[in-house]
Amino acid sequence: DIQMTQSPSSLSASVGDRVTITCRASQSISNYLNWYQQKPGKAPKLLIYAASSLQSGVPSRFSGSGSGTDFTLTISSLQPEDFATYSCQQSYTLPQTFGQGTKVEIK
Amino acid sequence: QVQLQESGPGLVKPSETLSLTCTVSGGSISGYYWSWIRQPPGKGLEWIGNIHYSGSTNYNPSLKSRVTVSIDTSKNQFSLNLSSVTAADMAVYYCARRGSGASHNWFDPWGQGTLVTVSS
Repeated sequence: DIQMTQSPSSLSASVGDRVTITCRASQSISNYLNWYQQKPGKAPKLLIYAASSLQSGVPSRFSGSGSGTDFTLTISSLQPEDFATYSCQQSYTLPQTFGQGTKVEIK
Repeated sequence: QVQLQESGPGLVKPSETLSLTCTVSGGSISGYYWSWIRQPPGKGLEWIGNIHYSGSTNYNPSLKSRVTVSIDTSKNQFSLNLSSVTAADMAVYYCARRGSGASHNWFDPWGQGTLVTVSS
């Protein structure tokens, strides 16, 4: 299985901060990488697919980049509604696997 | 828009079979792959398996010996059976549609999730 490792596992940030979350795959996955946002008690919500494509309806402050084994999710200006857990997921091969999540907390 | 809703027992005894159903509304189940994903309390997400509307399936090898996913297109539903459950199977179980485009795929939308507790 392809292992997905996210860093950091948690971070504290203030409204308006630029936030960057990293996801590393245990082998090359080209750009077969998706990002999800999950709020407590809620289902994950797709933010980014194919490493850098913004899902319809997702604010433009979210962006994704990367290819191969290293990927980044960036929130350009953190908003109050962005405090949540973010997870990456590879769709390169089965079984599809997720990172362990990065919790973004209020500073 | 398409909505998914999981249903089934919230409590299952050890060694018994966990059975959940996902009902799809607002759109047809045809033309897509449909997935089950779970999340143990405080842990990350784990893909369980996919089913195509034609009935073809893919399962996570770590669960393959215990998992069956089926589909009923007439009812716009698909189902999960997980046999011989243990405490390690306690999790929130989600159903989701597997969207796709240009060789990529992703999970969207998701059901709200249902917590399944394993206890005697």
